[in-house]
Amino acid sequence: DIRMTQSPASLSASLGETVNIECLASEDIYSDLAWYQQKPGKSPQLLIYNANSLQNGVPSRFSGSGSGTQYSLKINSLQSEDVATYFCQQYNNYPTFGAGTKLELK
Amino acid sequence: EVQLQESGPGLVKPSQSLSLTCSVTGYSITSNYWGWIRKFPGNKMEWMGYISYSGSTSYNPSLKSRISITRDTSKNQFFLQLNSVTTEDTATYYCARRRVALDYWGQGVMVTVSS
Repeated sequence: DIRMTQSPASLSASLGETVNIECLASEDIYSDLAWYQQKPGKSPQLLIYNANSLQNGVPSRFSGSGSGTQYSLKINSLQSEDVATYFCQQYNNYPTFGAGTKLELK
Repeated sequence: EVQLQESGPGLVKPSQSLSLTCSVTGYSITSNYWGWIRKFPGNKMEWMGYISYSGSTSYNPSLKSRISITRDTSKNQFFLQLNSVTTEDTATYYCARRRVALDYWGQGVMVTVSS
């Protein structure tokens, strides 16, 4: 199976700051990568698919990039409603998830 | 609007079978793929399997001997059965639609395996 190594495990940032979360795949996943946001008590919400395509309705301060084995999620101008856990997921082979990044406000 | 809703028992005894239903409204399950994903205590997420628009299935190899995903197109529902459960199957279970990625999710149902 393809292992997804996500970093950091937790992150504390200030309002208005730019945040980056990384995912490293154990092999080339050809941009078959999604990012999800999950708030406590809620189901995950799709933010980005195909590594860099913004899902309908997701604010443009979220963006994704990467190729091959290295991918990242960037959140510009952090808002209070962005406090959540973020997961990456590859779907090139049977799907596997990163371990998650818990984002808190400083 | 596409909506998914999981239902099923919240408590299952070890060695028994876990059975969940996902009811879909606003979209036909004869299009796209429909899957089950679970989140363990401690946050680890695991894809369990899909059923396709045609009824074919794909399962996580680690579960292949214990899992079955079926559907009832007349009710627009699909189902998860996981056999021979242990305490390690305690998790929140989600159903979701897959187009490219998982774009619609149910609210999740917490299942505890305990005697």
